[in-house]
Amino acid sequence: ILNVEQSPQSLHVQEGDSTNFTCSFPSSNFYALHWYRWETAKSPEALFVMTLNGDEKKKGRISATLNTKEGYSYLYIKGSQPEDSATYLCAFNNAGNMLTFGGGTRLMVKP
Amino acid sequence: EAQVTQNPRYLITVTGKKLTVTCSQNMNHEYMSWYRQDPGLGLRQIYYSMNVEVTDKGDVPEGYKVSRKEKRNFPLILESPSPNQTSLYFCASSLLAERNEQFFGPGTRLTVL
Repeated sequence: ILNVEQSPQSLHVQEGDSTNFTCSFPSSNFYALHWYRWETAKSPEALFVMTLNGDEKKKGRISATLNTKEGYSYLYIKGSQPEDSATYLCAFNNAGNMLTFGGGTRLMVKP
Repeated sequence: EAQVTQNPRYLITVTGKKLTVTCSQNMNHEYMSWYRQDPGLGLRQIYYSMNVEVTDKGDVPEGYKVSRKEKRNFPLILESPSPNQTSLYFCASSLLAERNEQFFGPGTRLTVL
C-alpha cells in the first residue's frame, strides 16, 4: 500500500485568511497527482490533475503546485471564504493505474 | 446530464445476506472504480476496471467482487457481508485512470448488522 500523507489533518482559519496544505507521495513511478474538494454530505469533486514536475494550476482563488522529484504538492487558497469549508483530498496515481488517496485536510473557515 | 449514479443510496442488511450495489455512468468512460470511506482512514480503493472485462484489485478487495460486462456499469457485490463492511461506498469513473479527473457518484451508505 502506497503512503500518501496530507498535513495538517484539520485547519481553522478566519474569513479572508490565505492558507495552504501539503500532500506528500512516493517520488517513484509517478503518473499523476489529483486534488479533490469534498463537502459534507456531497461527493468529492475534482479540482486539479497534475502530471508534470513543476506544474502549477489555478482555479479562481485556489491553486496548486507539484514537485515530483521530492514527492510533494501544495494546495493554496487565497482569501478563504466560508464556502471553502470542506475536506481537501489528494490522490496519487502510479504506473499501475491505482489511485491512492491521502487522509485529507479538513478546512473550516469562520466568518 | 453527465453523471455517475449508484443504487441504493442507503442500505441496512444483516450478516451473510448477499447484496449488490449498482453503479452506472453515462459519459462513455473507460475507467471505473469503487472506494470505501471510513472515519480516520480516508478513501480506499476496493476494485477498479480499465475497460470492459478488465478488473483489478485495489488496496482493500477482500470480501468484495466486481464485474464489468458493459462499459457503463460496474456493480459491487458483497457475497457474504460482515459488520466490518459497514461503510460509505463511492463509485467513480474517468476517461483514463492516470491523467483524468474522477467523477464520483453520490455514495451508498451501507450498514451490516
